[in-house]
Formats: sequence, structure tokens, C-alpha cells
Amino acid sequence: DIQMTQSPSSLSASLGDRVSISCRASQSVVSYLNWYQQKPGQAPKLLIYGASNLQRGVPPRFSGTRSGTDFTLTITSVQPEDFGIYYCQQSFSSPRTFGQGTRLDIK
Amino acid sequence: EVQLVESGGGLVQPGGSLRLSCAASGFNFWEAEMNWIRQAPGKGLEWLSYIGGGGTTLNYAASVRGRFTISRDNAKNSLYLQMNDLRAEDTALYYCAVFGDYFDAFDIWGQGTMVTVSS
Repeated sequence: DIQMTQSPSSLSASLGDRVSISCRASQSVVSYLNWYQQKPGQAPKLLIYGASNLQRGVPPRFSGTRSGTDFTLTITSVQPEDFGIYYCQQSFSSPRTFGQGTRLDIK
Repeated sequence: EVQLVESGGGLVQPGGSLRLSCAASGFNFWEAEMNWIRQAPGKGLEWLSYIGGGGTTLNYAASVRGRFTISRDNAKNSLYLQMNDLRAEDTALYYCAVFGDYFDAFDIWGQGTMVTVSS
């Protein structure tokens, strides 16, 4: 199975900050890497698919990049509604595996 | 409106069985590739099972293979998960989700149905 490792496990940011969340795959997933946001009591919401493609309806302050097996989700200017837990997920091979999550708190 | 609504969760004793349902609306269910994903309380996400649009291509996570069975009824726009030999570690919120058009991302999710395995 492909292991997905996220860092950090949690972070706090002030409004307007630029934040980045990292995700590393244990082997190549090419660009089959997706990012989700989950708020308390809600289902996850797709933000980025294929490493860098913004899901429709998602604000452009969210972006994703890939460098080999390392992936980064960046929020350029954190807004109050961005709090929650962020998960990466590889869709290259089965079983589809998720990272352990990164909790973003707003200061 | 595109929607997935899960049902069938509840409290069950260890070793028991439960059948979850997922009712789909607002999209062409018969061609959608469907999945079950779960989330234990306070934990992360775990993909469980996949079924192709025709219902013949199936895939399972090792943790549930041989105990859980995924199926669908395209005439009823419904997805199912038959869960047998339930264990305490199966306690979780169970989501159904759809593969999107690109990169097999889960782009539509239901709100989940809670399964609690306890004596």
C-alpha cells in the first residue's frame, strides 16, 4: 500500500497568513494526488484534484503543487472559513490511501 | 441538486450484521463509480470499497475484504454495503462517495451514517 505522510499535524495561522501543508507519498503517485477540507460535523470537501487542479467553486487562494513524491497545499491568504482538517489522498493505486490529516486553527 | 444520502447505520453487537444504503440523485448514477469510505470517531479517513458503474468491477480494502460486500441497484439509484462479522474497530461514520471525472478524486460525498459496534 502507498503510505501518505502529512506535515505538520497541526498549525495555527492569523487571518491573511500564507500557509502550506505538505504531503509525501511513499512511492510515485504521479499527479494522482487530491486534497480535501473537512469541517466539524461535515463530510470532506474536494479542493484540489490531480495535484494542482482547483475544483470548481473552490476559491483561488487555494493551490496545489507537486515535486516528485512531495505535494503541497497552499492557502495564500487564510480566511476565517478555512479552519478545519485537511487531508491528502492518492488515487494512483488501490487501496486509495489518505494522509493522517492536518488541523488548521485560526488564531 | 446532486445528492447522496446514506442510511442504515445503528448500534449492533460484535459479530452482527448491518446493511448500509446510499440513495443518489441529481446525476447519472448508472455510470458513476461509487465508493464507501469510513471515519472512526476522532480519526482520519479510510477508503473501504469501490464498485464500477456496471456493478461487476469491485475492490476492497484488506481490513474489510471477506466481511463486507458492496453492491448497487441502478434502477433504484442506490448503493449498498453489506457488513457482516462486525467488530468494535468497525465503529465509524460511513460515507458513500463518487469518483469524479478526473484523477479519481472523491468529488461528491454523502453526510454519512454512524455504525456503532458494541455489546
